[in-house]
Amino acid sequence: GAVVSQHPSWVICKSGTSVKIECRSLDFQATTMFWYRQFPKQSLMLMATSNEGSKATYEQGVEKDKFLINHASLTLSTLTVTSAHPEDSSFYICSVGGPDFNEQFFGPGTRLTVL
Amino acid sequence: KNEVEQSPQNLTAQEGEFITINCSYSVGISALHWLQQHPGGGIVSLFMLSSGKKKHGRLIATINIQEKHSSLHITASHPRDSAVYICAVNFFSGGSNYKLTFGKGTLLTVNP
Repeated sequence: GAVVSQHPSWVICKSGTSVKIECRSLDFQATTMFWYRQFPKQSLMLMATSNEGSKATYEQGVEKDKFLINHASLTLSTLTVTSAHPEDSSFYICSVGGPDFNEQFFGPGTRLTVL
Repeated sequence: KNEVEQSPQNLTAQEGEFITINCSYSVGISALHWLQQHPGGGIVSLFMLSSGKKKHGRLIATINIQEKHSSLHITASHPRDSAVYICAVNFFSGGSNYKLTFGKGTLLTVNP
């Protein structure tokens, strides 16, 4: 399967600042990438689907102006949490859509803590 | 409504025991996934299957499409198997099947 990395693996920031999380597909051209959020003891919640070169599709209830997604190349997608607040503290996971349209390869996640 | 149900929610076992985690879903799917997540860790894909049975080491996954049910078995369980196991499916959507619907997960604790 594809190797997916995320950077940073953890970040602590002050309320009101913006944080950028990178998701890289290291050995596979990722036309489609996904961003998830996971709160403690809960399952993954899909935030948005991004396709290379086009605007991301956000799930209902996810603020697109707060969670900016850019997928400018076949190997990199970024999620920027703008004006972060403590309630944005969560585990953010990206995944890459594989050649089998059923398949996703997950990154290791980024733990965001907003003080 | 497209739903994925897992059972049990929590499972505690002694080292060496045979473990079974179940997953059922509501409507037709193109594939089912079993994922593993260690505490504080990322998601690891264990299996993707659309029919029959797959085996990898001590892990076995089966699926019965007619009954809309899958099981994940762990033989000779070990404390390092302690993790959350998540069932996820690709429901037929008429468009891309990429989108996954996740179960709530099963927290497995294997005691030495």
